[in-house]
Amino acid sequence: EAQVTQNPRYLITVTGKKLTVTCSQNMNHEYMSWYRQDPGLGLRQIYYSMNVEVTDKGDVPEGYKVSRKEKRNFPLILESPSPNQTSLYFCASSSSGTWDTQYFGPGTRLTVL
Amino acid sequence: QKEVEQDPGPLSVPEGAIVSLNCTYSNSAFQYFMWYRQYSRKGPELLMYTYSSGNKEDGRFTAQVDKSSKYISLFIRDSQPSDSATYLCAMTPNTNAGKSTFGDGTTLTVKP
Repeated sequence: EAQVTQNPRYLITVTGKKLTVTCSQNMNHEYMSWYRQDPGLGLRQIYYSMNVEVTDKGDVPEGYKVSRKEKRNFPLILESPSPNQTSLYFCASSSSGTWDTQYFGPGTRLTVL
Repeated sequence: QKEVEQDPGPLSVPEGAIVSLNCTYSNSAFQYFMWYRQYSRKGPELLMYTYSSGNKEDGRFTAQVDKSSKYISLFIRDSQPSDSATYLCAMTPNTNAGKSTFGDGTTLTVKP
């Protein structure tokens, strides 16, 4: 079954404690993205990756890091989380050149106290 | 000003109604236009995508793009309670699924 998985699904942490949200896809997709979703602000892109070792900033990259060392994985790293990073995070993947193959993960709800 | 503005809703309609969901945008470089459906507590799922101006139909759903007016719409015919969800428009200048810009979403409730 084609899927994008994210872990953890729920996380409560404290300010400044480094965390990583993992994302993995089993479709051999080239493109992967991270988004955050906030009430009234919609879905905003944080980072995206066009292939292994190729990443670029989205609209709201501040405070986040990503890496793409393997095609299937695209972890999101918050080195020093702050309360304004409390949000619902989605990972997505798609095949190169075709928007109709895009799949989203189930989401990770992060709370930073 | 946001690049993509979406009718805020919420929208409540009776079963069987025709629903119109709309977005406007300011960036004339946008070439690809997408509609996503998001059920509560789930990730978005791609419903339709279109390139440039024109209409695209898929079952009860029709996506319409008017680039001259920078306006896109999603029409749902014979709406069903199962269509109750948040609908998000998105757009990008590129065919490659890299950077994209989303609207804030419109929440639709279809009442039986």
